[in-house]
Amino acid sequence: GAVVSQHPSRVICKSGTSVKIECRSLDFQATTMFWYRQFPKQSLMLMATSNEGSKATYEQGVEKDKFLINHASLTLSTLTVTSAHPEDSSFYICSAPPRGLRNIQYFGAGTRLSVL
Amino acid sequence: AQSVTQLDSQVPVFEEAPVELRCNYSSSVSVYLFWYVQYPNQGLQLLLKYLSGSTLVESINGFEAEFNKSQTSFHLRKPSVHISDTAEYFCAVSDGSGGSNYKLTFGKGTLLTVNP
Repeated sequence: GAVVSQHPSRVICKSGTSVKIECRSLDFQATTMFWYRQFPKQSLMLMATSNEGSKATYEQGVEKDKFLINHASLTLSTLTVTSAHPEDSSFYICSAPPRGLRNIQYFGAGTRLSVL
Repeated sequence: AQSVTQLDSQVPVFEEAPVELRCNYSSSVSVYLFWYVQYPNQGLQLLLKYLSGSTLVESINGFEAEFNKSQTSFHLRKPSVHISDTAEYFCAVSDGSGGSNYKLTFGKGTLLTVNP
């Protein structure tokens, strides 16, 4: 099956710093990628839709200046958590539907962000 | 708008027993339905999907789910579970007409714990 690589798997940072998370589709192209946030023992909440070559679409209540998304190519999307604070600590997961098969999404392994 | 309800947050069972994880959805349009499995500190893996055709879908590791339109359900079943099936299971729905860019709406998850 299709593989989505997410890096890093875990990051610990100090409050006020910025953290970048990468999401790569390894064997397929993805014009769209999705970024989710998952709190402990809860479901995934869609944060934003990353679109190659255009601006990301953010869900209601998600601060676009806080969570910067860049879809630089057909295989790479990045999420940057700017000026991270302890309340940003969470599990972030990306997913990507293969180009032309947008009703199927493949998920990355997730990034555990801990802000001290 | 779509929503997914997973009626059981936790389901403990003994090894080799049958199990059913319940999922109900609401949607005003046609839907695609999915079950994903998440092992601790990992991303989501697609377990099975219903897009069209036969309402009974099966996975390679013995799980099956049946799409019941009249009851708006997509329950997941396995006749005999293994210790290794212990994980969090998420039911998800997307717009089958392609609206909302095939965004997934997740249920809150069911933690399946298989005991020896």
